[in-house]
Amino acid sequence: SAVISQKPSRDICQRGTSLTIQCQVDSQVTMMFWYRQQPGQSLTLIATANQGSEATYESGFVIDKFPISRPNLTFSTLTVSNMSPEDSSIYLCSGTGQGTAEQYFGPGTRLTVT
Amino acid sequence: AQSVSQHNHHVILSEAASLELGCNYSYGGTVNLFWYVQYPGQHLQLLLKYFSGDPLVKGIKGFEAEFIKSKFSFNLRKPSVQWSDTAEYFCAVRGGSQGNLIFGKGTKLSVKP
Repeated sequence: SAVISQKPSRDICQRGTSLTIQCQVDSQVTMMFWYRQQPGQSLTLIATANQGSEATYESGFVIDKFPISRPNLTFSTLTVSNMSPEDSSIYLCSGTGQGTAEQYFGPGTRLTVT
Repeated sequence: AQSVSQHNHHVILSEAASLELGCNYSYGGTVNLFWYVQYPGQHLQLLLKYFSGDPLVKGIKGFEAEFIKSKFSFNLRKPSVQWSDTAEYFCAVRGGSQGNLIFGKGTKLSVKP
């Protein structure tokens, strides 16, 4: 199994600023994903983080708003740029274990934009 | 496109009652199916999964789910719930063995002691 940690666990940010969320996995994972869970909603995939190349974004999400990096197999960052109150959400990092189809989730980063 | 439907938004049960949470998906090919649980204030945890083989899968904490291919369903069951089962339950599907999960909207379970 893989253990996924995220930093920060929560933050309160002002409108117009940016926040970078870090995701660290304790073992190599083949695929890494970033999800958003808005209040009272289910999880929505933002993008697939690709090692050493640009992330693959889902419909409705763009790189300028949510730039993602994945410099190696165990680390990724998601930046929420030019934040507005509508970006208030929980952001979750996820990874698929090597040699297994299981998908693991981090504890999430609870973001509040004022 | 893949999608997942969870029929119940909020289920309220008394302790020792039996539980069944519905989940239907739409996808024409081979699927991996999952149930995750999110206890209050905690992160997602995997309850059980189905990849192939026996369509009745058993997970942690006495939960089980049955994959019925003809009905595109993967319902979650537990014969006797406990107060500690109060949580939100998410059904998820993935087409094939790789790629991202598509989640249902979740079912909130409240168990009265």
